[in-house]
Amino acid sequence: KAGVTQTPRYLIKTRGQQVTLSCSPISGHRSVSWYQQTPGQGLQFLFEYFSETQRNKGNFPGRFSGRQFSNSRSEMNVSTLELGDSALYLCASSLEVNSPLHFGNGTRLTVT
Amino acid sequence: GEDVEQSLFLSVREGDSSVINCTYTDSSSTYLYWYKQEPGAGLQLLTYIFSNMDMKQDQRLTVLLNKKDKHLSLRIADTQTGDSAIYFCAERADTGRRALTFGSGTRLQVQP
Repeated sequence: KAGVTQTPRYLIKTRGQQVTLSCSPISGHRSVSWYQQTPGQGLQFLFEYFSETQRNKGNFPGRFSGRQFSNSRSEMNVSTLELGDSALYLCASSLEVNSPLHFGNGTRLTVT
Repeated sequence: GEDVEQSLFLSVREGDSSVINCTYTDSSSTYLYWYKQEPGAGLQLLTYIFSNMDMKQDQRLTVLLNKKDKHLSLRIADTQTGDSAIYFCAERADTGRRALTFGSGTRLQVQP
């Protein structure tokens, strides 16, 4: 069974631009979560989606948004990029909301 | 608030046992996880334990949970050079806040 797939693997953007990251969960998994990983702050929760509905949201500004489609695939968008948004963005999927999370390899975003 | 603490670094010799420790503060934690992260990769789910269990063994991995002291440990038997990575402890409550709270990670270095 294929794992969680995130595209693209690497992105370089300029301050002020916007970016969209994509995540395809493990087949059959209905819950998708997003986390940001930085050397300074570690792993921080962004959002969780289940059946196209945002179930939970972390403490990030409104520039960070996401959505989930009917096939459980998810996207997250960051608008008006700042240097501090440079990070590894990890997507995770789970069978149900209480199931263990399985992570993808992440998208490394660099903002210059 | 919720907090998960781990030591930053552990060095062992190949063939020895490794023990990685973690403490957490949220008494409502229901699920506790161990993840492994290798360079350039996402998080790999190693094992997890429910709070009503004291111990879980899975091949070379043994997880011990002391709920009274809110202490979790991961023992890796016969540690190999391929076990060199960063290990993250994470906890999640069953209700309300649902996101994983991660520790800062323990870097395990295995010397041949």
